[in-house]
Amino acid sequence: GENVEQHPSTLSVQEGDSAVIKCTYSDSASNYFPWYKQELGKGPQLIIDIRSNVGEKKDQRIAVTLNKTAKHFSLHITETQPEDSAVYFCAASNWGGANNLFFGTGTRLTVIP
Amino acid sequence: DVKVTQSSRYLVKRTGEKVFLECVQDMDHENMFWYRQDPGLGLRLIYFSYDVKMKEKGDIPEGYSVSREKKERFSLILESASTNQTSMYLCASSLPGADTQYFGPGTRLTVL
Repeated sequence: GENVEQHPSTLSVQEGDSAVIKCTYSDSASNYFPWYKQELGKGPQLIIDIRSNVGEKKDQRIAVTLNKTAKHFSLHITETQPEDSAVYFCAASNWGGANNLFFGTGTRLTVIP
Repeated sequence: DVKVTQSSRYLVKRTGEKVFLECVQDMDHENMFWYRQDPGLGLRLIYFSYDVKMKEKGDIPEGYSVSREKKERFSLILESASTNQTSMYLCASSLPGADTQYFGPGTRLTVL
């Protein structure tokens, strides 16, 4: 099955700086890569996703890049704000197959005001 | 907005008790999922269901069962709770063939 590894497990940045979280996956059949944000006391919420037919996607301060050859993808947050503090999860799935998401172990991001 | 609700935010049970965790979604989604979330392990899939009365094992089904009698409701059952089932349980739903999963707020279960 798919194995998703995520690094780092914790990340602290100063407000206004950028944050980068990286994930690798093992199954070359995976073709859908979402990122979820989990705030304290809440369930994960989708913030951005990318499919294997594109290399980069951007939504305001958030961007995701995908390198299919190396089987890794990354989340980039620019101009970080205190409200970006949360736990972030990457995931991978073979969309059109079982629709099962395989999650990374999470990154706790702290933005220091 | 899609809304996924879970019956309890916090639950404390004793070893050996039968535990029911309920999940309801209001968007007519066919797919429903149960995960457990543990520090350093991320989210792990316990069971999922593609339709009423259908269920499939996920990665860690041992010690759990599920029930899907109605489309909007997916129940996770711990037949005989054990301390190693102390965890955060998350329910999610999605449309068939769709990749986005919508999560509930979670139930933090403590088994004493």
